Amino acid sequence: NAGVTQTPKFRILKIGQSMTLQCTQDMNHNYMYWYRQDPGMGLKLIYYSVGAGITDKGEVPNGYNVSRSTTEDFPLRLELAAPSQTSVYFCASSYSGGSETQYFGPGTRLLVL
Amino acid sequence: GQNIDQPTEMTATEGAIVQINCTYQTSGFNGLFWYQQHAGEAPTFLSYNVLDGLEEKGRFSSFLSRSKGYSYLLLKELQMKDSASYLCAVRANSGYSTLTFGKGTMLLVSP
Repeated sequence: NAGVTQTPKFRILKIGQSMTLQCTQDMNHNYMYWYRQDPGMGLKLIYYSVGAGITDKGEVPNGYNVSRSTTEDFPLRLELAAPSQTSVYFCASSYSGGSETQYFGPGTRLLVL
Repeated sequence: GQNIDQPTEMTATEGAIVQINCTYQTSGFNGLFWYQQHAGEAPTFLSYNVLDGLEEKGRFSSFLSRSKGYSYLLLKELQMKDSASYLCAVRANSGYSTLTFGKGTMLLVSP
């Protein structure tokens, strides 16, 4: 199993550009999550999904969109990139809620200039 | 709202024992997680507590007191590879399983 994979690893965007961060998991997990991590600020939840076709906002959803058409994939879309979106983005998945641990992908480092 | 507090940085010596504290104020409680994150890498799961008491896993132990809103992670026989950030995360609601993370504690282990 590859676990949770993310692409790209690193990207530079100009202000106003758009991009999609890809996330795929091969563990047949129902729950998937997107976090951003800024230096010294911990992980902030952007969006999450509890199954195909179901998504919900987290703590910091503004400027982002998601979709979940399959169990495996949970892409994060940035429209009109802003410098405030410079961050490291982590995708995670878990089989269900409760005591199930979340497994994290390797992260995407995004720089918006 | 949710509030989770951890010390920003700690230092310790190889072979020693270190305790990393985490206090939380959340609307409801349904479990506390500890994750380890090495610089430039993804967080990895260390431990989970939902009932009061101590959970031990090799060199790592985690303690929870729900009445005090308090947890600690205990690392014994410290090794250089334990230098990392340690994240405390709380699952506050009984519904969907979202976690609220603290800002993390950067632990530096010196020889």
